[in-house]
Order: sequence, then structure tokens, then C-alpha cells
Amino acid sequence: DAKTTQPTSMDCAEGRAANLPCNHSTISGNEYVYWYRQIHSQGPQYIIHGLKNNETNEMASLIITEDRKSSTLILPHATLRDTAVYYCIVRRGGRDDKIIFGKGTRLHILP
Amino acid sequence: DVKVTQSSRYLVKRTGEKVFLECVQDMDHENMFWYRQDPGLGLRLIYFSYDVKMKEKGDIPEGYSVSREKKERFSLILESASTNQTSMYLCASSPGFGPQHFGDGTRLSIL
Repeated sequence: DAKTTQPTSMDCAEGRAANLPCNHSTISGNEYVYWYRQIHSQGPQYIIHGLKNNETNEMASLIITEDRKSSTLILPHATLRDTAVYYCIVRRGGRDDKIIFGKGTRLHILP
Repeated sequence: DVKVTQSSRYLVKRTGEKVFLECVQDMDHENMFWYRQDPGLGLRLIYFSYDVKMKEKGDIPEGYSVSREKKERFSLILESASTNQTSMYLCASSPGFGPQHFGDGTRLSIL
């Protein structure tokens, strides 16, 4: 699987949009970009994924650049409950495709 | 919403005991996974299953076994618990090529 690079930590004010970047310059054509987050002492939570088009769901939006070498996860109105470690990964999918998290971005939402 | 339920959030056992960790998913997913998560080592795949009665070894299967008698249930068994198996255990499920959804984890301590 392609490697990803994320900032170690970020701060965002409550109520503002949180924009989390991810670089994946070696992504292959058949690999998807996935985002998960993990709140302290809980299991990882799936957020969103995409191949090349921008995606939006009830939790977040995913913007993927045209060359697919980077992406941004957007939490439109951050709340204190969004404080977590956010992981960006790229994977082919499929039944034997294990999840490997990097170090992720520790997002602090400030009141 | 996808629901992956792990039988215990916290568990304390003694060395040499046989330990059972249970996981149930309610979305009729084909694939189920067991990971352990340790500080500094990230997420590591123990076993996975892509069908009833089918199982495949992950990266660290030694000391563990699994059972999948029904589609919705995937059990992890520590045959003879040892202190180095103290960890956070995470179960996940996914449809054929879709995202993996995780349970809240079982924090297992072996004394």
C-alpha cells in the first residue's frame, strides 16, 4: 500500500471548519483514499473514502486533487467531540486488505 | 449504521488461562478481522475470515486461534494467555470491497 504523510497535530476552533491534509504521492490507480479517526480509548471509526471524485457524507467531505497525490478531509463545523487522532490511508480494498495506520494527525478542537 | 459489538470493554485474566473474545456484527458483512493495537506498534492483524468456517492468518497469529461458525460472529481465542498478550483487541467487519468498521475494542490485561 502507498505511504501517507500527515501533520503530527493541528488545532481548530470550535464551530469552524477543520481541514486535515494528507499526502499520498505514490498512490496507485486502483487505490482508494480512506479516512478513519480514533477517539481516546475507543475503536477506530470509519469516516469517508474516495477514489478520485470528491465525496461528502453526514460526517465530512473529502477533497482529492486531480493528480490524486494529496487529499483534504473537511469537518465543516468542528465540535469538541471531534477531538481525536485522524488517520489517512490508501488501500486497494478487498477481503485480505488489512488496515495499517500511520501516526495520524492529532486534532485538538479548542473551545 | 453498522454495529460491531465486542463482548467486553475490559477483561482481566491470568497467565495460562484460555480466553475467549467475542465479536458480533449486524450488517451481514462477509469479512471479519481481529487486530491488536499497542503503543508504538500500531494496528496489527491477527486473523481474518471472509466466510463462515473460513479463516486466514494475519501477521501475528501465534498464540491465537479463531472461530467463525456463523456469519455474524467471529471469536478470538487465546489458547494459553501470556503477559505479552496484554493489549487492546479490535474486531472489524466489512462487505466485500468496502470499508472496515471497528468495534469499541477490548482492553485485555493478563496478570
